[in-house]
Formats: sequence, C-alpha cells, structure tokens
Amino acid sequence: EDKVVQSPLSLVVHEGDTVTLNCSYEVTNFRSLLWYKQEKKAPTFLFMLTSSGIEKKSGRLSSILDKKELFSILNITATQTGDSAIYLCAVDRNTGTASKLTFGTGTRLQVTL
Amino acid sequence: DTGVSQDPRHKITKRGQNVTFRCDPISEHNRLYWYRQTLGQGPEFLTYFQNEAQLEKSRLLSDRFSAERPKGSFSTLEIQRTEQGDSAMYLCASSFVAGGPDEQFFGPGTRLTVL
Repeated sequence: EDKVVQSPLSLVVHEGDTVTLNCSYEVTNFRSLLWYKQEKKAPTFLFMLTSSGIEKKSGRLSSILDKKELFSILNITATQTGDSAIYLCAVDRNTGTASKLTFGTGTRLQVTL
Repeated sequence: DTGVSQDPRHKITKRGQNVTFRCDPISEHNRLYWYRQTLGQGPEFLTYFQNEAQLEKSRLLSDRFSAERPKGSFSTLEIQRTEQGDSAMYLCASSFVAGGPDEQFFGPGTRLTVL
C-alpha cells in the first residue's frame, strides 16, 4: 500500500526564519509528488514534482524531489505569519487511469511574530 | 468565482439520517474526485469520475455511500444511515487531463457533523 510520511508533524518558528519540511514516500509506479497548503479550508496547490533534482520555485517557496532516496523537501525562506498552515505532501501513482493521490498527515507550521 | 464549489459548507445531522452533498467542478474539467479528511489526517481518496463514469471506489466507501455524476458535470455524494464515524470534511477536487500527471483543484469542502 502507498505510504507518505511527513516530518516534522508540527513546527513553530519566528517570522523571518527559514524552514524545511520533509516528505518521504513508498509508492508503486510513482508518477508525481505534489505539495499543497491547507489553511482553514481546502488544500491549495503549490508544486508538482516529477523529475529528480529539478528545483521548483515560487517566490519564497521551493521544492525538490529525490526519486532515488524517495523523498522531497519544501523550503520556505523569510517566513511570514501568512505562511502558517498545514502543508500536505501527496504522491500520485501511475495506474494508467486517473490520479489517486495518497496524502501524508501534513506538517502544521505556525509562524509567530 | 470559477473554482470548485461545494454545497453545503456545513451539515449537522442526527445519526441514522441521510445526507447529500454537491460538488460543482471547474467547468472544463473532465475528472472529479471525492476525498474525506478527518482531524489531524490528510485527505483520503474515496472515488473518482472520468466524465460521467465512476471508475474507481476506495474500500473506505461502504455500501452506505453512493456518488453520481449524471451528466459529467456536477457530482453528488450521498451517505445513508449516517454514523458518528462519518463526521469529517468531505472534499471534492477536479482536474483536466489528456494523459500524464494532473493537478487537482480542491473545493472548500463540506464539513459533516453527525450527532
């Protein structure tokens, strides 16, 4: 069965700090890994990663995938209070049909002043 | 707003009652997914549709659960004889895919509380 493990489970940092969130996975026929941000509502898409070693970047957020070691990291630099959320990692397996995402339990990030 | 919408946003019901949720995907999206999320957990896949065809159902989807997407547009998820363990956030997502990985856009969810 597909498995996604995120660490840490929760994290409290001060505004301006840099954080690294981890996601390790076990999946048959890996297709992609996705990062979502979830505040008090539905997950919003951040990144989709399909190839090893290619960093994806969006503003202060960046992410990279290592398909050999089966993990991904999400970096947030110069954190702001608006970054406080649950960050979810999900893997998508290639079934030949649709994407069936398997999610981790998330990392709860709290950014304080 | 052209995103995924869900209705109602909150539902409180008594154990044993039936409930129905609706999801309206992004209009050009051909795939629609239902997930369930309980407190402290990531979303868990329930079922998905490619146009109007329901192509996969999770083991989590007991016979009390039924989902439809009659015209390949909006979808409904019905839970019959609700139980307290059904209390969760029910999320709908949609995507458009012509092969390869797809990006699922989530709706705001319907939070169900079964008393």
